[in-house]
Formats: sequence, C-alpha cells, structure tokens
Amino acid sequence: GESVGLHLPTLSVQEGDNSIINCAYSNSASDYFIWYKQESGKGPQFIIDIRSNMDKRQGQRVTVLLNKTVKHLSLQIAATQPGDSAVYFCAEGTGNQFYFGTGTSLTVIP
Amino acid sequence: DVKVTQSSRYLVKRTGEKVFLECVQDMDHENMFWYRQDPGLGLRLIYFSYDVKMKEKGDIPEGYSVSREKKERFSLILESASTNQTSMYLCASSFGGSSRIQYFGPGTRLLVL
Repeated sequence: GESVGLHLPTLSVQEGDNSIINCAYSNSASDYFIWYKQESGKGPQFIIDIRSNMDKRQGQRVTVLLNKTVKHLSLQIAATQPGDSAVYFCAEGTGNQFYFGTGTSLTVIP
Repeated sequence: DVKVTQSSRYLVKRTGEKVFLECVQDMDHENMFWYRQDPGLGLRLIYFSYDVKMKEKGDIPEGYSVSREKKERFSLILESASTNQTSMYLCASSFGGSSRIQYFGPGTRLLVL
C-alpha cells in the first residue's frame, strides 16, 4: 500500500501564532490531496483540498502547499486558536481511493 | 450539510459474536467506505462501494464483509468477532466523479472481549 507520513507526531503552538503541519507522501501518481481535522471523539472533518496541478490553495485561515518535486504537503493555520487543537491528517489519492497519514496532534497553548 | 451517521458510538461484543455496524448518508452519495483507525496506524481501508450491491476490497478486508442494499446505507459485518478487531470504525461517503472529498461519520468504538 501507499505510505503517507508526517514529519512530527505532535506540535505545540502559542495561541495567535501560525502553525505548520507537514506531510510526506510516496505515490507520485497521486493527483489529489486532502487535509482533515479530527477532534477527540469525533470523525475526521474536511478542512481543505488541493489537486496536483496546483501548488497552493487558501481557505479561511488555512493554506495548503504542495511540492510535487519532493512529494511534500503542508498545512498552514494562521492565528491558531484553542479550537484548532486536534489531530490533523493528510490524505493522498488517485481516483476515489485515499491513503491517510497517521496524524499530527496539534496543541494550542493559551 | 452532508450527514453521515453510524448506528452506535460504542459497542462491546464477545469473541465469536456476529457484529453489524451500520452507516447511513443523506446526500445521495455514490461512494461509501469503511475504515478502521488504530493508534500509530492511521486510517486503513476495509471495504468500499461505488454503487448499490457493489463492493470492493480495501487494504485489510480479512475478517470483514459488507452489504450495500440501498444507496444510502453501507453495513460492515464482522462474521465472528475477534479481539484484534477492537478498534475505532469510521464510515465515509463521497459524491463521486470529480467530487472526491470523503465525509466521515462520528465513528463506532468497538471493544471485543
């Protein structure tokens, strides 16, 4: 199967600072990438997606960057808030099937 | 808003029991998926379905079966539960075609004793 890995399993940031969560993927044929947020006791929630023909996509307070050369994906969260504390997963896919990373736990320090 | 519901949030079963996990989505999605989530292993695909009565094996189908008799409902069946099937089970659905975002249910935490 595919290997989707995260550089850091945990990340702590001060409230108001920006957060960067990284993800490495292994399948150069993957053409679609999604970031999910999972709060304790809940299912993963869609945050933002990006197709392989793009390098950057912005949402509300979040930006996803894709570097296909090194097969790297990152999620940037601006002005991190306590409600951003959660586990964040990246997923890479071709067609309708995805492979998920193990997740990075983000803790926001008030 | 897309809503994916799962029949139980917590379930405790005994080894050898037959277990049914139900998932329902209300957005007329074509695709439905069952994953299990274990610490350090992330989400692993068990089975998926692209249409009614259609199923495809994922990465870890052993010990599981599925049923999709209606478009909105996708059931995961553990024919004879074992302790190594203790896990969080997540159902997801997606519209299909160019819309590939998967929407997840809240999960069912299954404990097999």
